[in-house]
Amino acid sequence: KAGVTQTPRYLIKTRGQQVTLSCSPISGHRSVSWYQQTPGQGLQFLFEYFSETQRNKGNFPGRFSGRQFSNSRSEMNVSTLELGDSALYLCASSWGTGGYEQYFGPGTRLTVT
Amino acid sequence: GENVEQHPSTLSVQEGDSAVIKCTYSDSASNYFPWYKQELGKGPQLIIDIRSNVGEKKDQRIAVTLNKTAKHFSLHITETQPEDSAVYFCAAPITGGFKTIFGAGTRLFVKA
Repeated sequence: KAGVTQTPRYLIKTRGQQVTLSCSPISGHRSVSWYQQTPGQGLQFLFEYFSETQRNKGNFPGRFSGRQFSNSRSEMNVSTLELGDSALYLCASSWGTGGYEQYFGPGTRLTVT
Repeated sequence: GENVEQHPSTLSVQEGDSAVIKCTYSDSASNYFPWYKQELGKGPQLIIDIRSNVGEKKDQRIAVTLNKTAKHFSLHITETQPEDSAVYFCAAPITGGFKTIFGAGTRLFVKA
């Protein structure tokens, strides 16, 4: 069974631009969660989607948004990029909601200059 | 508030020794406690988990113990090997909140 895939793997953007990251979950998994990982803040929850519905959102500004499609694939978008948005963005998929047995992708390394 | 504390932040052991990492959680309703291993350049990998209705779970050289009364759980790695060197994270989903809180991570070094 294929694992969680994330594209692109690396991205360099300039302040003020926007970016869209993509996540394809494991086949059959209906939940996708997004996390931001930085050396200073660790793994921070961004949001969780289940059956195309956002179930919860972490403490991030409105510039961070996401969506999930009917095939469970998910995208997250960050608008008006700031230097502090530089991080590894991870998505995790699971069969059900609630954080049980999450399987992570390799992440997208975003650098904002 | 929602919080998961993890100790130590760094752990160095000799190959063959045991390693123990501890986490404390705040949500008394939490009922699922996973541990993840993250190697350089990779996403976290689920290595073992435990549900609140059991006190201990083992899988070969790794085990997790849970003390619900004290609200803490621990990861035990026996007979450590150099390939165990990585960052380990504990986590606790917030019950009903559709959200998972991670510990700050423990960097484990296993010296050959």
